[in-house]
Amino acid sequence: DAKTTQPPSMDCAEGRAANLPCNHSTISGNEYVYWYRQIHSQGPQYIIHGLKNNETNEMASLIITEDRKSSTLILPHATLRDTAVYYCIDQTGANNLFFGTGTRLTVIP
Amino acid sequence: DVKVTQSSRYLVKRTGEKVFLECVQDMDHENMFWYRQDPGLGLRLIYFSYDVKMKEKGDIPEGYSVSREKKERFSLILESASTNQTSMYLCASRGGTVYNEQFFGPGTRLTVL
Repeated sequence: DAKTTQPPSMDCAEGRAANLPCNHSTISGNEYVYWYRQIHSQGPQYIIHGLKNNETNEMASLIITEDRKSSTLILPHATLRDTAVYYCIDQTGANNLFFGTGTRLTVIP
Repeated sequence: DVKVTQSSRYLVKRTGEKVFLECVQDMDHENMFWYRQDPGLGLRLIYFSYDVKMKEKGDIPEGYSVSREKKERFSLILESASTNQTSMYLCASRGGTVYNEQFFGPGTRLTVL
């Protein structure tokens, strides 16, 4: 069973920030939160991950709440190429990343 | 650029055929994975390998086997393909610790008739 909960779909206007929420209320203290995305007909692509501090890289920012029960992925200036399915994952074991059904983000011109 | 390649993007096979899906990575990663992706079910782990000649079952290994004779290559084998194995198959690799990201190939869409 999925341990994370995400909205099935979201729209965002091109050039605006896309904020994708994720609930992971059962996450344990040493589990990281990972975000991947999958553009149509391609394999998933890693975006970012974090434990408890906020993280930023060239693709996105990750904001994790203090209680670690939820997080938000922020794409600061969404482009049409950011249209994809975004997966929030908490690490369930040594090797098994459980990909649920994610959030389908559509960036609108 | 790191790269994971898969031998075919699209494959059509008949029921009962033996099917080989090949995956090659050029990053000298120890860990390699095979997933299948089906609508509404997300990605499910079939097998993974943490070293040459080593393999571990994932969540849905039935009907599949794997081979890792060289570090860069991880093969998924369908001994006798069935229609319920029609799916998108994704290979991934990961280096270093378990906290590092996985790098995925483009996927092979397999249709079994």
